[in-house]
Parts: sequence; C-alpha cells; structure tokens
Amino acid sequence: LAKTTQPISMDSYEGQEVNITCSHNNIATNDYITWYQQFPSQGPRFIIQGYKTKVTNEVASLFIPADRKSSTLSLPRVSLSDTAVYYCLVGPGYSSASKIIFGSGTRLSIRP
Amino acid sequence: GAVVSQHPSWVICKSGTSVKIECRSLDFQATTMFWYRQFPKQSLMLMATSNEGSKATYEQGVEKDKFLINHASLTLSTLTVTSAHPEDSSFYICSALRGSGTTGELFFGEGSRLTVL
Repeated sequence: LAKTTQPISMDSYEGQEVNITCSHNNIATNDYITWYQQFPSQGPRFIIQGYKTKVTNEVASLFIPADRKSSTLSLPRVSLSDTAVYYCLVGPGYSSASKIIFGSGTRLSIRP
Repeated sequence: GAVVSQHPSWVICKSGTSVKIECRSLDFQATTMFWYRQFPKQSLMLMATSNEGSKATYEQGVEKDKFLINHASLTLSTLTVTSAHPEDSSFYICSALRGSGTTGELFFGEGSRLTVL
C-alpha cells in the first residue's frame, strides 16, 4: 500500500473551512483514496472516497490533483463536533488480500 | 447503512485470564474481517486479517497463540486475548468487508476497550 503523510495536528475555529492534505507519492494506478474520521473511544467512520478530480458528499469534499500524489479533504464550516482524528488511506479497493494500514492521522481541534 | 457491532464495548479482567471479543456484521455477510489495536493517542495497528472458514493471517510481531482469532461464520469473528497481561490493555477495533475490489466497503465496529489489572 502507498504510504501516506499527513500533518500530525491542526487547529481551527467554528464556522471555518478546514483543509487537510495527505501526501501519497507512491500511489498506484488502481489505488483509491479514502478518508476516515475517528472520535475518541470509537471506531473509524467513513467520510469520503475518490479516485481523481473532485468528489463531494453531504459532509466533505475531496480534491485530487491530476498527478494524484496528494489529496485534500475539505470540511466546510466546521463545528466543535468535528474535533476528531482524520485518516487518509490509499489502496486498490478492498479484498481479503488487502492490508488496511492506517497512517498517523491528523488530529483536528476545533475551538469556539 | 451497514452496521458492525462489537461486544463487549469495555471489559476489565485480572491478569492471567482470557477475554473474548466478538465482532458481528449485523446486516451483511463478511467473508473478511480485520482486527486492530489502538493505544492512546496512536493510530490503529493492524493485527490480523480474518477470513471465514480459514486461518487468520497475522501481521508481523503479533503472536497468534496470544491473540486467537476465529471466523466461524459469515457474520461473526472473535478475538480471544489469552492469558492477558497489563500490557495487553488497549482499544481493540474490528472491521468487516462488504463486497470486494473497488466496490468493496469497509465498516468498523465501535471498538472494545480492554483493561487488564
């Protein structure tokens, strides 16, 4: 699996847009990019997945440049409840042969 | 959406005892489940891949005789921590795979916190 690099932590304020970037220089042609959110003492929760360009859902947007060596998770108008750890994963979909390896993640703290 | 349930959500046990943690996919069949452990303020560490009807595949450094994994049905995988010691205290998380390949989806359980006294 392609190794990912994310900032260890980020701070922001309520109502702001937060962008978290993930580097994955060794991404393979058939790899997808998936972001998860984890609250303390809970399992990770799927946020968004994409392959190229831009993907948007009801909670976030994912921007992927043409070279796909990085991706940016965008959280619009964050609230205190968005305080969590965000993980970027890269891999060729999921199968019994997959190794779902988590990187260090980004600890996002939202202040009032 | 799909739900993966873990039980118990927390457990306290004495050193030397064994503890079993269950992971169930409630509304789909999961041929493959994964087990992770997570220490405070650290990322999830993959322990093993559990495949229904076959032996689990353990990651390097994970003792298979210490962490017994059984995946006897398409909706249930269990992790048994044998002869638990305080250093085994951790947050254990399972995930279940629905489908496979690029259309596969991975769902995580709520986690189980083990404290060994």
